Amino acid sequence: QITLKESGPTLVKPTQTLTLTCTFSGFSLSTSGVGVGWIRQPPGKALEWLALIYWNDDKRYSPSLKSRLTITKDTSKNQVVLTMTNMDPVDTATYYCAHGITMVQGVIITDAFDIWGQGTMVTVSS
Amino acid sequence: QSVLTQPPSVSAAPGQKVTISCSGSSSNIGNNYVSWYQQLPGTAPKLLIYENNKRPSGIPDRFSGSKSGTSATLGITGLQTGDEADYYCGTWDSSLSAEGVVFGGGTKLTVL
Repeated sequence: QITLKESGPTLVKPTQTLTLTCTFSGFSLSTSGVGVGWIRQPPGKALEWLALIYWNDDKRYSPSLKSRLTITKDTSKNQVVLTMTNMDPVDTATYYCAHGITMVQGVIITDAFDIWGQGTMVTVSS
Repeated sequence: QSVLTQPPSVSAAPGQKVTISCSGSSSNIGNNYVSWYQQLPGTAPKLLIYENNKRPSGIPDRFSGSKSGTSATLGITGLQTGDEADYYCGTWDSSLSAEGVVFGGGTKLTVL
């Protein structure tokens, strides 16, 4: 059974760096074809994909947020960490991590997330 | 502004059928699989459909998906009040400058 859980601060100040941790079980990020992603959702708004990391340490970032995001993995701890710099009130959202359905056909493609964490609400305010 | 376009809302009576559309382009829906998610109020999204028309274990066959060209459709038959939720489509975008996962803006389903 695959489970994921997000953890991190609930409140950050503008300009600070946000660090979120996704702790998962039921799969290994050292297994070929496995990917974990981060998605966020501002209150009352749509889902927005942020980043993906794969078993081979390949990474993908949202083009609009790429300069502010870093995704890393710790295979031994079954964790994926997302950092987002220069936080702004518009970054207030629920942040989810999720297990990706990934295909490897020359290129790596993740076109769905089958298991999601419960999400963690992050508020950006002074 | 989401990359994929969905109607903001749809509604139908209990027992009826409803469809939700999702429109994209050749770089995303046109050349990649589409997925659909259900998000009940206050909960995380749940995968309903992947690879255009496949249902994960436990998803009833009242939910179906299809794709044609650069558009996809989610169908729900035998509507129940418990189906009231927000529905999102998603896919991979293969654009050289914008490669990654994209979602629609979401559709709120009301079961009258």
